Amino acid sequence: ETGVTQTPRHLVMGMTNKKSLKCEQHLGHNAMYWYKQSAKKPLELMFVYSLEERVENNSVPSRFSPECPNSSHLFLHLHTLQPEDSALYLCASSQGWLVNYGYTFGSGTRLTVV
Amino acid sequence: AQSVAQPEDQVNVAEGNPLTVKCTYSVSGNPYLFWYVQYPNRGLQFLLKYITGDNLVKGSYGFEAEFNKSQTSFHLKKPSALVSDSALYFCAVRPQSGANSKLTFGKGITLSVRP
Repeated sequence: ETGVTQTPRHLVMGMTNKKSLKCEQHLGHNAMYWYKQSAKKPLELMFVYSLEERVENNSVPSRFSPECPNSSHLFLHLHTLQPEDSALYLCASSQGWLVNYGYTFGSGTRLTVV
Repeated sequence: AQSVAQPEDQVNVAEGNPLTVKCTYSVSGNPYLFWYVQYPNRGLQFLLKYITGDNLVKGSYGFEAEFNKSQTSFHLKKPSALVSDSALYFCAVRPQSGANSKLTFGKGITLSVRP
């Protein structure tokens, strides 16, 4: 375990469903991130939270809605997704997002939209 | 805008042979550079980073990387590959200065080490 825990590990949902992905870290980090990983493509940064405030939103469709209730938890709420949204969703955290620290990643949630 | 190029989709080597996984980058100013590894069904794990100083950086599991500013490269190397090194490797860059200093990843290279 890296210290960043993601649940569930696998999720299959229909296009009309609503579901949420959860990320939890107890590393004392104050920045958290959502990334989308699709095969043969660079990791896509979706959202950045620093000190529980969203500081980055990379033109992500509104069917993805992040929530950061405190510095240890990050959610990604999903609704009316499309099949092309099927991917591995990775959560990461770091101690500060404007400095030279690397990120600690969770194991990801494998999402399949049917 | 910053970017990372990992020109190969896959690198194949025999166990015991040296390996090189290539990475070139584009960024404004001086870079921070990182290598991450991803094993099947796992998240990315940090391998090593270049911040400043010696251009040869040593990291986990016997890996090292050489920063070459003139060629804007940060190739990952290991003198003797192991079958257990087979995984997906990501290079990442962020500028050392600037308000929007986020980490940008490449698409990843699959390393396959045959026995």
